[in-house]
Amino acid sequence: DAGVIQSPRHEVTEMGQEVTLRCKPISGHNSLFWYRQTMMRGLELLIYFNNNVPIDDSGMPEDRFSAKMPNASFSTLKIQPSEPRDSAVYFCASRRRTTGNTIYFGEGSWLTVV
Amino acid sequence: DQQVKQNSPSLSVQEGRISILNCDYTNSMFDYFLWYKKYPAEGPTFLISISSIKDKNEDGRFTVFLNKSAKHLSLHIVPSQPGDSAVYFCAAPSGAGSYQLTFGKGTKLSVIP
Repeated sequence: DAGVIQSPRHEVTEMGQEVTLRCKPISGHNSLFWYRQTMMRGLELLIYFNNNVPIDDSGMPEDRFSAKMPNASFSTLKIQPSEPRDSAVYFCASRRRTTGNTIYFGEGSWLTVV
Repeated sequence: DQQVKQNSPSLSVQEGRISILNCDYTNSMFDYFLWYKKYPAEGPTFLISISSIKDKNEDGRFTVFLNKSAKHLSLHIVPSQPGDSAVYFCAAPSGAGSYQLTFGKGTKLSVIP
């Protein structure tokens, strides 16, 4: 079975540019999470979707960040405009809520904003 | 405010010895805990979990111990192998409905051959 698929794996962009990260969750999973990993803050939850509906976006840093889930097999995380402090690894994860607490992570998108 | 804390950023252990990774939590409502393992350039992968109705869960070389009164859990790896070198995260379900996982900052384990 395919795991969570994220793209791009690496992205280097200039400050002020728009960045779009993409995620395909595991088929049949109805919960999707976007996490960000930094040295200072570790793994922090940005937003959580359940059945394609955003449930909690309190972790989204500011209005420059937005996330969508137009259908059960696709989600995007957009940063516009990007800033150097957004440099981090962004992980998408998914879970089938009825089968417990374990969430399954993608391999991450490494973002560098210069 | 960190609800899940891993106070040791790193740990070095000789191959064949025991590795003990520690985790403390502050929320007494937490009733389930998970350990994830992360290799460089990969996403975290689930390793082992424990429910608060137990004080120990074992899976091969990996054992997790839970001390609810101390709000402390630990992951034991015996014997440690070089392939165990990774970052280990402790996590607990949190938020309304326990929908999200709150992670500690991780402990980097290095197993020296």
